[in-house]
Amino acid sequence: DAGVIQSPRHEVTEMGQEVTLRCKPISGHDYLFWYRQTMMRGLELLIYFNNNVPIDDSGMPEDRFSAKMPNASFSTLKIQPSEPRDSAVYFCASSPGGRTEQFFGPGTRLTVL
Amino acid sequence: AQSVTQLDSHVSVSEGTPVLLRCNYSSSYSPSLFWYVQHPNKGLQLLLKYTSAATLVKGINGFEAEFKKSETSFHLTKPSAHMSDAAEYFCVVSEGFQKLVFGTGTRLLVSP
Repeated sequence: DAGVIQSPRHEVTEMGQEVTLRCKPISGHDYLFWYRQTMMRGLELLIYFNNNVPIDDSGMPEDRFSAKMPNASFSTLKIQPSEPRDSAVYFCASSPGGRTEQFFGPGTRLTVL
Repeated sequence: AQSVTQLDSHVSVSEGTPVLLRCNYSSSYSPSLFWYVQHPNKGLQLLLKYTSAATLVKGINGFEAEFKKSETSFHLTKPSAHMSDAAEYFCVVSEGFQKLVFGTGTRLLVSP
């Protein structure tokens, strides 16, 4: 079975540009999570969805960040406008209902110049 | 709120020697605990999980962890380190049913 798929794997953009990160969860998993990893703050949960509905977005840093899950097999995390401090590795993870462990994608390394 | 403390930011071992990565947790109820591993420029991979069954949990690649409630610990061990074990290891506690709280990580260095 394919694992969690993220694209792009690397993104380099300039400050002020819009950035869209994409995630395809494992088929049949009804929870989807977005994390950010930085040296300073470690792994932070940004938002998670259950059955395509956002459940907890308290980790989203500010209004420049938004996330959507239009269907069970696709989610996006958008940053508009991007800033250099958004540079990080962004991970998507999914989990089947009834289980606590999460399965992570390979991550997107974002660099904002 | 649940939390985990990884007691060492770096651990260095020689290939073939035992590995011990320490983790203490704080939880108001019986927790679910996990160890994840992250190799350089890779995603996180689940090594093992504890969910109130056997206190000694066996994971992949020869790793195991023991849940000790009296010590609030969940240390990760391996009898003999391999070069491929060099990575970052995260101790994780489940907060509520779906939210995970990650430790700060321990970087394992393995020398020949």
